[in-house]
Amino acid sequence: SQQGEEDPQALSIQEGENATMNCSYKTSINNLQWYRQNSGRGLVHLILIRSNEREKHSGRLRVTLDTSKKSSSLLITASRAADTASYFCATVTNTGNQFYFGTGTSLTVIP
Amino acid sequence: DTGVSQNPRHKITKRGQNVTFRCDPISEHNRLYWYRQTLGQGPEFLTYFQNEAQLEKSRLLSDRFSAERPKGSFSTLEIQRTEQGDSAMYLCASSPWTGGGNQPQHFGDGTRLSIL
Repeated sequence: SQQGEEDPQALSIQEGENATMNCSYKTSINNLQWYRQNSGRGLVHLILIRSNEREKHSGRLRVTLDTSKKSSSLLITASRAADTASYFCATVTNTGNQFYFGTGTSLTVIP
Repeated sequence: DTGVSQNPRHKITKRGQNVTFRCDPISEHNRLYWYRQTLGQGPEFLTYFQNEAQLEKSRLLSDRFSAERPKGSFSTLEIQRTEQGDSAMYLCASSPWTGGGNQPQHFGDGTRLSIL
């Protein structure tokens, strides 16, 4: 399977703390994307980082990418209860045609 | 932008029956993807279209599954002779294609299929 893996599988933190989740993958990529999914809903795109980028920021989100280690991390700063969701990384193949989603990290932010 | 719409939201059927799901993508998006998601897992790629052409199907996709996208607009996913293992959330996503794949996917809220 080309599916990536997120670590940890589950994370529980207090509101205001930072949350870090990691993604490892197996093949070379065009870009890597992070998505959020609330229970019973579809996925929502958060941020995209290209293979030639090492770090990217968007609001309270910071993403890093290390292509030599085939890994990425997503940092959510100053977490809020509304950040409670599952977070998935998706690797996009060099052709740009296929998206491979990881197994997800379930984040719970306690008010 | 009305977003990606999927119907029905829920489908309960008996084993052996056929089911069909519909996806209406964002109107200007020429790429449309189907995924299957089981509990505790990420979405698993099934197939994708560029306009009306089905360009790729997962090797894991049984021949009981078929998808169409007539005229490059909405798409349907049909499962024939359903089995217990088909119970899952079926997600549709669309995106513009500008070459290179550097575009996010926009997902619908899925159709949850339960096989009795």
